[in-house]
Amino acid sequence: EAGVTQFPSHSVIEKGQTVTLRCDPISGHDNLYWYRRVMGKEIKFLLHFVKESKQDESGMPNNRFLAERTGGTYSTLKVQPAELEDSGVYFCASSQPGQGTGEQFFGPGTRLTVL
Amino acid sequence: QKEVEQDPGPLSVPEGAIVSLNCTYSNSAFQYFMWYRQYSRKGPELLMYTYSSGNKEDGRFTAQVDKSSKYISLFIRDSQPSDSATYLCAMRGGAQKLVFGQGTRLTINP
Repeated sequence: EAGVTQFPSHSVIEKGQTVTLRCDPISGHDNLYWYRRVMGKEIKFLLHFVKESKQDESGMPNNRFLAERTGGTYSTLKVQPAELEDSGVYFCASSQPGQGTGEQFFGPGTRLTVL
Repeated sequence: QKEVEQDPGPLSVPEGAIVSLNCTYSNSAFQYFMWYRQYSRKGPELLMYTYSSGNKEDGRFTAQVDKSSKYISLFIRDSQPSDSATYLCAMRGGAQKLVFGQGTRLTINP
């Protein structure tokens, strides 16, 4: 079974440009999460989808970040316009429907560098 | 103050040693406690999961949660060079979002 995949693995852009990150969750996982790790800091929650609906977006830093999950399958996270402080590793995770342990399976991350 | 505190290390020990990793937290609403292992350029991988207080053992790994002290630990027995990685504690309350510690970078020397 394929795990969580993310594309691209690495992106280098200039300040002011737009970048779109993609996440494909494990098949059948209704829950999809975005997290971010800025250098030297802990991994921080950004938002949580249940199918195509945003369940919790309390971690989104500002309105330059837009997350979508059309059709409840893959998700995209767009940063527009990118700023220097957006540099970091963006992780996507998915988990099965329902509560319980809700083990979250993480993808390898997208390393974003804003110059 | 951060919700979860974890010493980032680095921590270096000889092969075969017992490793102790710890986190403290401030939010008494946390009920689910996890340890993730992350190898370089990879995503975090769930290692241990504990609900509420108590101990859980899985092979060479033991996780302990003391909710009264807001303190969680991970012990690795008979450590191996392949255990070299960053270990992240994570926890959550009723919501699904995980709150992570900063991670401890561990090296096991042959």
